[in-house]
Amino acid sequence: DVKVTQSSRYLVKRTGEKVFLECVQDMDHENMFWYRQDPGLGLRLIYFSYDVKMKEKGDIPEGYSVSREKKERFSLILESASTNQTSMYLCASSTEQGIGADTQYFGPGTRLTVL
Amino acid sequence: QKEVEQNSGPLSVPEGAIASLNCTYSDRVSQSFFWYRQYSGKSPELIMSIYSNGDKEDGRFTAQLNKASQYVSLLIRDSQPSDSATYLCAVNRDSSYKLIFGSGTRLLVRP
Repeated sequence: DVKVTQSSRYLVKRTGEKVFLECVQDMDHENMFWYRQDPGLGLRLIYFSYDVKMKEKGDIPEGYSVSREKKERFSLILESASTNQTSMYLCASSTEQGIGADTQYFGPGTRLTVL
Repeated sequence: QKEVEQNSGPLSVPEGAIASLNCTYSDRVSQSFFWYRQYSGKSPELIMSIYSNGDKEDGRFTAQLNKASQYVSLLIRDSQPSDSATYLCAVNRDSSYKLIFGSGTRLLVRP
């Protein structure tokens, strides 16, 4: 079974703080993704990585950065947290190989509140 | 026009009935289609993937794909209260491994 884990289920931070969200997958997947999910807006892609040290902006990258130093780990960084970044953050991974390639598997999510 | 459209619902069906969830997409080159189930406060979990026109069955679930009409659906037979959740349709985009998700249809199965 694919396992995607995220460092925290719930996180409360203050405006202006630097926030790190960590995601780890154990299936040697090439691709990793960060989404945020807000009521009425669905899942929106923040950043995408298709290889170590490679990244690509998604639909809403402003205010975020990412890091992928190892294949299994993909970090999302909020440089200076703001209240409009309060959201559910979801990490996902997928493989490029074989049947079922591009199926995305999600971590449990991090509910971030910025006060 | 949204790239992936779903009726937000709620779709309410009695226990034991067939629930039919629909999704349309705009990108004609899309090749991969997915249905995810998401319980309140939880992350999406994969139910089914479908890549070819026609039907694909897995237990009580059947996915149907019609690329000419750009339409994908999910049928849930013998619906159970535990099926009550939001169902997300996802389609790959730009011929890449990125997916675009619909906003989801909320399903309520009444005991």
